[in-house]
Amino acid sequence: NAGVMQNPRHLVRRRGQEARLRCSPMKGHSHVYWYRQLPEEGLKFMVYLQKENIIDESGMPKERFSAEFPKEGPSILRIQQVVRGDSAAYFCASSPATSGRPSGYNEQFFGPGTRLTVL
Amino acid sequence: KNEVEQSPQNLTAQEGEFITINCSYSVGISALHWLQQHPGGGIVSLFMLSSGKKKHGRLIATINIQEKHSSLHITASHPRDSAVYICAVADNYGQNFVFGPGTRLSVLP
Repeated sequence: NAGVMQNPRHLVRRRGQEARLRCSPMKGHSHVYWYRQLPEEGLKFMVYLQKENIIDESGMPKERFSAEFPKEGPSILRIQQVVRGDSAAYFCASSPATSGRPSGYNEQFFGPGTRLTVL
Repeated sequence: KNEVEQSPQNLTAQEGEFITINCSYSVGISALHWLQQHPGGGIVSLFMLSSGKKKHGRLIATINIQEKHSSLHITASHPRDSAVYICAVADNYGQNFVFGPGTRLSVLP
């Protein structure tokens, strides 16, 4: 059973370009979380998604950032018109659905992260 | 006051020592997670706690809900335990995770 996969592992973009980060959850997992870790800082929650549904996007910047988790295929974190401050490691995690319980009770399995560098 | 605090910020130990890392939080939570981030950046979930105590190998995690405090203990520490240990709490709705700043542990041979 493959773990959480993220690609690309490293992504370099110039200011103003778009960045697309992909996350394939573990088989059977229907919950996906995205986190950002700025250089020398801690992890910050960005967004929590279930298939075709954004559950909590309270950690997402209001502009330029969007996330989706379609019925088929990986979850995508999209950053439009990147700026230098977007340079960070972006981690995805997945968990199985736990019927009747909030997601905080679910163990999360983390992907290896995508390191985004904006030149 | 930060919602999740950890102590110590940095910790150096000799191989074989017993290690304790502390986490205090100020919000109502549904669950608390301990994570390990390796020097290469990879993150592993160690424990999820909502009450009591859990043990996995040389790792023990405890939580006191009334005191809003959790501890992670490592027995017989080893250089391969060197990593950043992160405490994360899920709020009462269980959806928004808040992370502590991490404790950087170095275990010397």
